[in-house]
Amino acid sequence: DQQVKQNSPSLSVQEGRISILNCDYTNSMFDYFLWYKKYPAEGPTFLISISSIKDKNEDGRFTVFLNKSAKHLSLHIVPSQPGDSAVYFCAALGSDAGGTSYGKLTFGQGTILTVHP
Amino acid sequence: DAGITQSPRHKVTETGTPVTLRCHQTENHRYMYWYRQDPGHGLRLIHYSYGVKDTDKGEVSDGYSVSRSKTEDFLLTLESATSSQTSVYFCAISDPVLTGYGYTFGSGTRLTVV
Repeated sequence: DQQVKQNSPSLSVQEGRISILNCDYTNSMFDYFLWYKKYPAEGPTFLISISSIKDKNEDGRFTVFLNKSAKHLSLHIVPSQPGDSAVYFCAALGSDAGGTSYGKLTFGQGTILTVHP
Repeated sequence: DAGITQSPRHKVTETGTPVTLRCHQTENHRYMYWYRQDPGHGLRLIHYSYGVKDTDKGEVSDGYSVSRSKTEDFLLTLESATSSQTSVYFCAISDPVLTGYGYTFGSGTRLTVV
């Protein structure tokens, strides 16, 4: 059962426009969310995160929005650049029933973003 | 200046043979993880470690074992490799006290089982 879902396998946008990547989750125990970016033949790298006590976090061109009631988060990239072309993974952190997480992240399937010049 | 390295980067092995992948970190992070990446599945947790000799299973642990005898090293062993274990394997480290909840990933090991 996929607890974190990225329903769009791919997204194509024009340079300078906005890219919006979406992520849904089902586990209400998740309380911290992260986005990672991955280039081919490299490991994922951390991009931006958000705590469940917030609904928005911004870092330069990247903004993450969290809608807890809908169990939905999104990553906005404005303006998009060709160098942003990569696979984007959302991830969620949550404690188990005993209140322990050991930092384990649950990842979505990833969305391939292509930004055309 | 990579604080986490994986070896080997690529490996081709035959079905039924044992395989060990190594993850080495120089960051003194407490937690270490092994994930596999497969199309349509994203990154799935195989095993993780929360201290020396403290390990536990993730969601796709069948056919895999791990060991952590030192803080720096986390080994993933495929006891008898199968074609379904052809994948890209990533090691990751984290330490909520030192650097927060984000992971630092290694560059990955591409394993092909023929």
